[in-house]
Amino acid sequence: AQTVTQSQPEMSVQEAETVTLSCTYDTSESDYYLFWYKQPPSRQMILVIRQEAYKQQNATENRFSVNFQKAAKSFSLKISDSQLGDAAMYFCAGEQYGNKLVFGAGTILRVKS
Amino acid sequence: ETGVTQSPTHLIKTRGQQVTLRCSSQSGHNTVSWYQQALGQGPQFIFQYYREEENGRGNFPPRFSGLQFPNYSSELNVNALELDDSALYLCASSMREASGYGYTFGSGTRLTVV
Repeated sequence: AQTVTQSQPEMSVQEAETVTLSCTYDTSESDYYLFWYKQPPSRQMILVIRQEAYKQQNATENRFSVNFQKAAKSFSLKISDSQLGDAAMYFCAGEQYGNKLVFGAGTILRVKS
Repeated sequence: ETGVTQSPTHLIKTRGQQVTLRCSSQSGHNTVSWYQQALGQGPQFIFQYYREEENGRGNFPPRFSGLQFPNYSSELNVNALELDDSALYLCASSMREASGYGYTFGSGTRLTVV
């Protein structure tokens, strides 16, 4: 069984500052994929960034980057130069090949101007 | 390239009734997954359809059923609605052969059971 844990129900960040959202992913599989999704009030899940477990290099997408530590089962998301449009619910999720996505409980991110 | 479209956007039903939710997958995608998201929680996997057959199911009772059509669109049917079925239902499409590249989600159907 896979479990995804997000221990921060809510986080706040000042505009232009950096914030890190935490996630742990537990699975017995060695090959899997990890994702961060953003869900704004419009409700649509938007893919922010993905990480392949067998790749040692951490993924980066513009202002978004991850710190993936496989042995520690940690998969954190760093948002640099935070913008008002980054305010949303963020979900960490894991997937094993061809299988379902398993989501964490989510972290609400508030951006202060 | 069209995204994932879900209908209706909102729905109110009475306990005991039946409901059908619809999803049009993104062009080029052949797999559709359905998720239930209760208020303030993460989405929970209901089931997945690939080549018109159920391909994996979460911990949901048989009164949750689905279909996938030749054009890869899909329906979620829920019979004998219960108050706890009130939730946002999300549809996500993907290309099975490109597993790991993420899913494209629709904006969901908000179901309220009264």
